[in-house]
Amino acid sequence: RKEVEQDPGPFNVPEGATVAFNCTYSNSASQSFFWYRQDCRKEPKLLMSVYSSGNEDGRFTAQLNRASQYISLLIRDSKLSDSATYLCVVAGGYSTLTFGKGTMLLVSP
Amino acid sequence: DVKVTQSSRYLVKRTGEKVFLECVQDMDHENMFWYRQDPGLGLRLIYFSYDVKMKEKGDIPEGYSVSREKKERFSLILESASTNQTSMYLCASSEVSGLDEQFFGPGTRLTVL
Repeated sequence: RKEVEQDPGPFNVPEGATVAFNCTYSNSASQSFFWYRQDCRKEPKLLMSVYSSGNEDGRFTAQLNRASQYISLLIRDSKLSDSATYLCVVAGGYSTLTFGKGTMLLVSP
Repeated sequence: DVKVTQSSRYLVKRTGEKVFLECVQDMDHENMFWYRQDPGLGLRLIYFSYDVKMKEKGDIPEGYSVSREKKERFSLILESASTNQTSMYLCASSEVSGLDEQFFGPGTRLTVL
């Protein structure tokens, strides 16, 4: 089983739509979880950390289900500027982060 | 703001050449990382360093070496470049723990002919 798995997409949604991304991870001992965003031809940047209780930042909500080893990211009221690749990130081996391959989101007018 | 800079945005080298990729961070971070990113394979960790003169292998260290002589600088070395090392190389740093937020440089797109 791969360490961090994501649906590669692309997810094509219209502006204003709600879209959800899922991610599963294999290391049950992982303690740190993040969502990063990567724009086309740019470097990844932290979008938000994921906490056990779930957390929200404006239109973005992240959830963690430790029992199922599952992380989600919900984007409400999608904007054109949300078009990017979203990387699920989990504390992996060597006490470093393991990045998923990313899910591409395309928001159209 | 944390700034991570990489020496080149684009680089073209020939097979067999020795290649140096330089990375500098300006926030006194303890940890530095080198990744390569390829379509369909995502980000893969090559090497990382928790301290000056210290290095640890990541998932794909073969064909690479690194050097960290100063805290702010982490170099990736391709001893003898090969075409399968054509890729986007990303450097990152994090403050204290390898599990902290990582800040990335803009990347170097290396093409080996």
